[in-house]
Amino acid sequence: SAVISQKPSRDICQRGTSLTIQCQVDSQVTMMFWYRQQPGQSLTLIATANQGSEATYESGFVIDKFPISRPNLTFSTLTVSNMSPEDSSIYLCSVGGYYGYTFGSGTRLTVV
Amino acid sequence: AQSVTQLGSHVSVSEGALVLLRCNYSSSVPPYLFWYVQYPNQGLQLLLKYTSAATLVKGINGFEAEFKKSETSFHLTKPSAHMSDAAEYFCAVTFSFGNEKLTFGTGTRLTIIP
Repeated sequence: SAVISQKPSRDICQRGTSLTIQCQVDSQVTMMFWYRQQPGQSLTLIATANQGSEATYESGFVIDKFPISRPNLTFSTLTVSNMSPEDSSIYLCSVGGYYGYTFGSGTRLTVV
Repeated sequence: AQSVTQLGSHVSVSEGALVLLRCNYSSSVPPYLFWYVQYPNQGLQLLLKYTSAATLVKGINGFEAEFKKSETSFHLTKPSAHMSDAAEYFCAVTFSFGNEKLTFGTGTRLTIIP
């Protein structure tokens, strides 16, 4: 199965700033998924990112707040923009494939 | 649309006792089902998956799950709990293996009593 390198692993950010999270996959994958896990909660899908097309956002998530790039089949970024304390969460990327779904180790974001 | 329901947000069992974590699914098409574990301050690790082959699926760390279509269930079990099993467990579903998003249940926190 694919191996994902996600960074940063954690960050503490000031409100009003932006943070870009990167995910690098060790093989080419068609679809990448970005999830948010709020404190004590389950995972909620933010968007699905296909290479060469606009990301598809789930209800409640908008591109201006969570812009996503997918420049090639092994890399994607998620930006959390104009952050507020409510954005404090773990953000995870994931890829699908023959063996199932693999997740990055997550980015633990704290907004102060 | 597919969904999963995990009954019991917190489950406590004694060390050595049976672990049973419940997951029921709702899907208009044959589902693919997964169980993931998340240890404190760590990412998600796949325990096992159902892909329409065998209905009894064996996973890592002694866990197994049985797909029961008549009951729309995919409960996770382990015969004897270890202290190291203490973690958060998530059931997830998709209708297109590897190509569509996973929809997660709300999770069950498993506590092991010494």
